Amino acid sequence: GAVVSQHPSWVICKSGTSVKIECRSLDFQATTMFWYRQFPKQSLMLMATSNEGSKATYEQGVEKDKFLINHASLTLSTLTVTSAHPEDSSFYICSARTTNRGNTEAFFGQGTRLTVV
Amino acid sequence: QQQVKQSPQSLIVQKGGISIINCAYENTAFDYFPWYQQFPGKGPALLIAIRPDVSEKKEGRFTISFNKSAKQFSLHIMDSQPGDSATYFCAASPETSGSRLTFGEGTQLTVNP
Repeated sequence: GAVVSQHPSWVICKSGTSVKIECRSLDFQATTMFWYRQFPKQSLMLMATSNEGSKATYEQGVEKDKFLINHASLTLSTLTVTSAHPEDSSFYICSARTTNRGNTEAFFGQGTRLTVV
Repeated sequence: QQQVKQSPQSLIVQKGGISIINCAYENTAFDYFPWYQQFPGKGPALLIAIRPDVSEKKEGRFTISFNKSAKQFSLHIMDSQPGDSATYFCAASPETSGSRLTFGEGTQLTVNP
C-alpha cells in the first residue's frame, strides 16, 4: 500500500505555544488529506478535510483559527495547533487519498502524540 | 451523533478461537465499510473492506459479513493469534473511495496464548 508519513511522531510543548505537524504522502500524490484526533481509548474523530490548493473544510465544533491546515502541495499537508492548551493533548492522525490508483483508498499516517504541559 | 455503533467494547479470546466484532450504521448513504487495526501509538491500518453489493468478503483469516437490510456488518477473525491483539475499528463512508470516514467506537481485542 501507499505510504503516508507524519512528523514528528511525538511532541511536547508548553501551554500557549504553537505546534506544527506534517503529513506527507511519500509515493503518491494526495489530492485530499484528512486530519483526525484521537483521545486515549476513544475513536478517531475527523477534524477537517483539505484539498490541495484550497481552504480546508472543518467539521462542526472544530475551531479553524486554532487548528490551521495548509495543503500547499500534492504531497504535503500541515496542521498547526495554535496557542496550545493541555486539553489539546491528543493523538493526531492524518490520512491521504489518492486518485491515481484503482480504488482511491485513504492511507493513514502513524500519528503524532501531542502533549501540552 | 454517533452514526456507527460498534460492539463489544472489549473482547478476550483464546488462541485459535474466533473473534467477532459487530457494527451497525444509520446513514443509508454509506456505501463503503472498512475495518481497521490499530496498535498502541500507531495509526490505523486497513484490514479489509466491503461494499454493499456483496454479503461477505474473505481475506485470509479475516471475513466481513454484511447485512444491508439490517444495516449491520461484522468482522470475523478466524484462528485468532496473540499478534492479533489490538484495537479494531469499523468505519463507513458515503464514498467508494473510503475517505471521510466515520469510525465506530473501537474494540480492544486480547488474544490469550
